[in-house]
Amino acid sequence: EAGVAQSPRYKIIEKRQSVAFWCNPISGHATLYWYQQILGQGPKLLIQFQNNGVVDDSQLPKDRFSAERLKGVDSTLKIQPAKLEDSAVYLCASSLTDTLNYNEQFFGPGTRLTVL
Amino acid sequence: GNSVTQMEGPVTLSEEAFLTINCTYTATGYPSLFWYVQYPGEGLQLLLKATKADDKGSNKGFEATYRKETTSFHLEKGSVQVSDSAVYFCALSVGVAAGNKLTFGGGTRVLVKP
Repeated sequence: EAGVAQSPRYKIIEKRQSVAFWCNPISGHATLYWYQQILGQGPKLLIQFQNNGVVDDSQLPKDRFSAERLKGVDSTLKIQPAKLEDSAVYLCASSLTDTLNYNEQFFGPGTRLTVL
Repeated sequence: GNSVTQMEGPVTLSEEAFLTINCTYTATGYPSLFWYVQYPGEGLQLLLKATKADDKGSNKGFEATYRKETTSFHLEKGSVQVSDSAVYFCALSVGVAAGNKLTFGGGTRVLVKP
């Protein structure tokens, strides 16, 4: 079974430029998460989707970050304009949706963003 | 709010040494607890989990016991190998009602030398 796919794996941009990351979750996983992992820290949830609806975006800096999952499958996370402090690894994860039990989240390899 | 605190690294060990990584948590509600591992160049993987007090999670020779009285979930392995070199993250989830959301600690880098 294919895992969570992300692209690109690396991206270098200058501040004030825009950037987009793509994620394709495991087939059949209705829930998709985007995390930001700053160097030396644990991942922090940015946004969670269930199918194409947003479940939680309370930690998403909405003035510059946006995300969509239009058809309930793959997802795009965008930053516009980027700041130096956005340098991080952006992780995508997916899980099944079971309303009774915890569902393991499966993580992609991440996209490492460097903002100069 | 929810938070996880784990010991800072790096932790450097010789092969076959005993490994302990301390993890304590603060949570509203009754969390499930997890250890994730990130091998060099790879994505995060679930290593083990425990969903209620006194449960012991185990996998690949690693163990952790859910201690509600001390709000802890320390990771242990009796004899580490070079292949255990990785970054280990302790995490919690307060459940399906909270959207399955994970709160992570800062990670502990472990380096095992031959």
